[in-house]
Formats: sequence, C-alpha cells, structure tokens
Amino acid sequence: TQLLEQSPQFLSIQEGENLTVYCNSSSVFSSLQWYRQEPGEGPVLLVTVVTGGEVKKLKRLTFQFGDARKDSSLHITAAQPGDTGLYLCAGVSNTGTASKLTFGTGTRLQVTL
Amino acid sequence: NAGVTQTPKFRVLKTGQSMTLLCAQDMNHEYMYWYRQDPGMGLRLIHYSVGEGTTAKGEVPDGYNVSRLKKQNFLLGLESAAPSQTSVYFCASSPIRDRVSTISYFGPGTRLTVT
Repeated sequence: TQLLEQSPQFLSIQEGENLTVYCNSSSVFSSLQWYRQEPGEGPVLLVTVVTGGEVKKLKRLTFQFGDARKDSSLHITAAQPGDTGLYLCAGVSNTGTASKLTFGTGTRLQVTL
Repeated sequence: NAGVTQTPKFRVLKTGQSMTLLCAQDMNHEYMYWYRQDPGMGLRLIHYSVGEGTTAKGEVPDGYNVSRLKKQNFLLGLESAAPSQTSVYFCASSPIRDRVSTISYFGPGTRLTVT
C-alpha cells in the first residue's frame, strides 16, 4: 500500500507569515497533485507537478516535486485568510486502465488576521 | 454545467440498514470514482469505473457495491451499514487524457452517520 505522509497536520499562523507543507512517500509516483478543500466541499485541484525537481508557481503558492518523484512541498508566501483550508497532496499512479490517486493525510491551515 | 453532484448531502442510518448514494456528472467524463474521507486519513478509494458498465475495486471496497449503468451516473450502495462506515463520501470524475496529468473533479460530498 502506498502511503503519503503530510506534515504538519495542523498549522495556525497570522496573516503575512510564510509557511511550508511537506508531502513524503517511500513510493515513486508518475506525478503529484495538490488540492485544497474547504469545509463542506470537495477537494479542488491546485496544481500537478510531473517532472522530478519541477517547480511551479501559482501566485503566492510555490510547489516543488522532489528529484526522485517521491516527495513534494507547498510553500505559501505572505499567507492570507483566504488561504485557510485543508491541503491535500495526491500521488498519481498509472494502472492498466485508469490513473489512481493516493491521497496524503492532509494539512489543515488556518490563517488569522 | 453543474459539474459533479451528489445526493443526498446528509444521511443517518441505523446499523444494518441499506442505502444508495447517487453521483451524477454532466461533463461526459469516462472515469468515475468513489472515495471516503476520514479524519487524519486523507481520501481513500472505494471503487472506480473506467466506463459505462464497468467497475473495479479500490483500496477499501469491503461492505460497498457500485454500479455504472449510465455514463453520467455512478451509484454507491451499502447493503448492511456498519458504524465503521460513518464517513464523508466523495464522488469524482475525470476525462480520458494524458494519465500523468489527469484532473479529477469532486462533488460536494455526502456525510453519512451510522448509529
């Protein structure tokens, strides 16, 4: 069974602070995705990183895929209250038919004024 | 487009009762999935379907059955509910595309409590 561990599990910071969330696995994935989930809603895809070492930026969010394609990080610069939510990483594995997502344990972020 | 919809939004069952959760998507996606989400465990795949009339087991299929009689609908059934099935259930769909960059679209979830 593939496992994805995220750290930290919970994070409470003030507006304007920077933070990094980590996603680690012993398995290699074809690609890795990051989702954000708000209360009462389903996860929404933020980004997919495909190549080992790849870095993608989405405004104040920076995503990095590890060189060995086993781990990833999400860095948020100058966090805002609108960044509050549950952040999930998901490793993509290709089976014989559909792609499968293995989700991480999640990081719950709260940004206060 | 409504995207992915799920009914019902909430349900309380007694142990041993049965129910069916309905997922519908209007994006003409081939692939559909059922996940459950429990605190501290992320989302776990229950069953999935790669097309109309086909289903396959995911990571935690025991106690659940699924059917995909129409391309746009994916049903999740609990024949005899157990307290361990208390969870939030999410349906997702994705189009056939480069499997490395697959995109999954999630529904809003169904919160199920089994007493």
